[in-house]
Amino acid sequence: ETGVTQTPRHLVMGMTNKKSLKCEQHLGHNAMYWYKQSAKKPLELMFVYNFKEQTENNSVPSRFSPECPNSSHLFLHLHTLQPEDSALYLCASSQDLASRNNEQFFGPGTRLTVL
Amino acid sequence: AQKITQTQPGMFVQEKEAVTLDCTYDTSDQSYGLFWYKQPSSGEMIFLIYQGSYDEQNATEGRYSLNFQKARKSANLVISASQLGDSAMYFCAMREGPIGNQFYFGTGTSLTVIP
Repeated sequence: ETGVTQTPRHLVMGMTNKKSLKCEQHLGHNAMYWYKQSAKKPLELMFVYNFKEQTENNSVPSRFSPECPNSSHLFLHLHTLQPEDSALYLCASSQDLASRNNEQFFGPGTRLTVL
Repeated sequence: AQKITQTQPGMFVQEKEAVTLDCTYDTSDQSYGLFWYKQPSSGEMIFLIYQGSYDEQNATEGRYSLNFQKARKSANLVISASQLGDSAMYFCAMREGPIGNQFYFGTGTSLTVIP
């Protein structure tokens, strides 16, 4: 595996379900990110982890719970979601946060549908 | 106020012609970075080009160049010699913040290359 991988690629869940999204990066990076991409809206940064420590939580509802057990893996735990949470969830990684020119490498995303 | 503004929801360009995608940004930071990403229909975000706020030269990467006008706070992407494979969504993004963990994306421009 190379780059940034995400599983599952597609997920349909009910509002009472609990599910998790997984992201893994094989680039040796130290920073990882979760984004939400909804139709007609800018990409929204949800969480940022740097060296496994969360550095940013952009007012994300508590029904989204991130976990970063190590620099290579990032999870997004979902519970009691709402239909408006349906979106493409993108994971990204970068070398770290120190250098401004560190571009982010994105995974293919998980297309989430909440019924 | 929007941090990143892309005013062109859709653009068309003839194959082999050049096209400019507009991006303006809003920040009070002195140090920031500007990025352009391409998102094909497959969904994965692909990094194209980076411009640092202190860079005096406009960034270039192959057929991509960034027209950076700091005083006007604009960072337009120029694609030369358009190819059919350039048809995609294009997102302008900015990184700012004291530890560089604030990222903002625009709403994107859909580019269609016409044969």
